Amino acid sequence: DAKTTQPNSMESNEEEPVHLPCNHSTISGTDYIHWYRQLPSQGPEYVIHGLTSNVNNRMASLAIAEDRKSSTLILHRATLRDAAVYYCILRDRNSGGSNYKLTFGKGTLLTVNP
Amino acid sequence: SQTIHQWPATLVQPVGSPLSLECTVEGTSNPNLYWYRQAAGRGLQLLFYSVGIGQISSEVPQNLSASRPQDRQFILSSKKLLLSDSGFYLCAWIRIGGSNTEAFFGQGTRLTVV
Repeated sequence: DAKTTQPNSMESNEEEPVHLPCNHSTISGTDYIHWYRQLPSQGPEYVIHGLTSNVNNRMASLAIAEDRKSSTLILHRATLRDAAVYYCILRDRNSGGSNYKLTFGKGTLLTVNP
Repeated sequence: SQTIHQWPATLVQPVGSPLSLECTVEGTSNPNLYWYRQAAGRGLQLLFYSVGIGQISSEVPQNLSASRPQDRQFILSSKKLLLSDSGFYLCAWIRIGGSNTEAFFGQGTRLTVV
């Protein structure tokens, strides 16, 4: 299974942009890049996903490197409510074909300072 | 819309006692269902997943078992709890369609084994 590498923690100031990096050098051609975040004492929630092109939604933007070996989640203006653990994960597909697993690493703990 | 219910929210159990955590999904059929565990300060560990009634895949050897008696019901059990079973347990439903395997998580059960 393709793995991802993220910094353990990052800090940001409120109202400033945040760039959360993720390395996935062993990504395969059909792996999608997903980002989730987990607020304290809650289950993770979906943020964004992409394959090759950069993606934007109401929560964030996803910038994917041309070689797809890395990606960056961009929060354009961090708020205190964005403080969470952010997970970068790749969609797994096991030998069964239709069985999909999402394997989470330790993620990046984002602290937002007021 | 799809929702996922998980209960109880918190649980304190003595060592050696049995465990039963229940998860149900509404608003979809034939979901892929997953149990994750999160130890304090760590990432999410996939424990079990199920692609259909009676079909259970175990990701790691452990003191726990899972069952899927109905299409939208997923149960995590143990006959005798260990101290190491303490953690935050999350049930998830993953929608598989096209490019997106968005996962929806329950609110979690915080289990403390004493």
